[in-house]
Amino acid sequence: GAGVSQSPRYKVAKRGQDVALRCDPISGHVSLFWYQQALGQGPEFLTYFQNEAQLDKSGLPSDRFFAERPEGSVSTLKIQRTQQEDSAVYLCASSFLAGEGDTQYFGPGTRLTVL
Amino acid sequence: SQQGEEDPQALSIQEGENATMNCSYKTSINNLQWYRQNSGRGLVHLILIRSNEREKHSGRLRVTLDTSKKSSSLLITASRAADTASYFCARPEGAQKLVFGQGTRLTINP
Repeated sequence: GAGVSQSPRYKVAKRGQDVALRCDPISGHVSLFWYQQALGQGPEFLTYFQNEAQLDKSGLPSDRFFAERPEGSVSTLKIQRTQQEDSAVYLCASSFLAGEGDTQYFGPGTRLTVL
Repeated sequence: SQQGEEDPQALSIQEGENATMNCSYKTSINNLQWYRQNSGRGLVHLILIRSNEREKHSGRLRVTLDTSKKSSSLLITASRAADTASYFCARPEGAQKLVFGQGTRLTINP
């Protein structure tokens, strides 16, 4: 595809529900990132994949957050038992290689609202 | 937590004027990146400046980097309404992830 796509674009969940957010990276991109962006703030790193391997999950705020990329392409971020503080925009990004200077291309994000 | 600080937090100028945004950071870097975010196009990479560079240009954008002061600035010349957006600086941490600042909200008034 032309860019990184994410679905759904908007998600409203009741507190306690589980949600799954999908990211389709640019075809052939090795690296995939998830970020969380609270209202009025910059994005904050959640986790990073190189192909199917999750190499860094240091930013996941709790064990309710889980991410996977089983075939090294599409990734899913799952949040269990959602809480109001989980309300944010979740951004996915991909880059061609795994180097420090590689440009990360961001998707449009999924806006999660937990009631 | 975010380790970059943008200044100012918000900036409102008239179309045609220049806009300058500043970014400070705390640790040593190999490069610094600037991103723009608006509702229409999401978060878009603008420019990357390496630690051995002092200035870089891309169209109407000019970025400077002062590693001794741990600061960078983004200048947008001859601003247009379409430049209205939030602008973030970001530095790589480790080999992969980006650490973003809190952003500057720029409004261009017609």
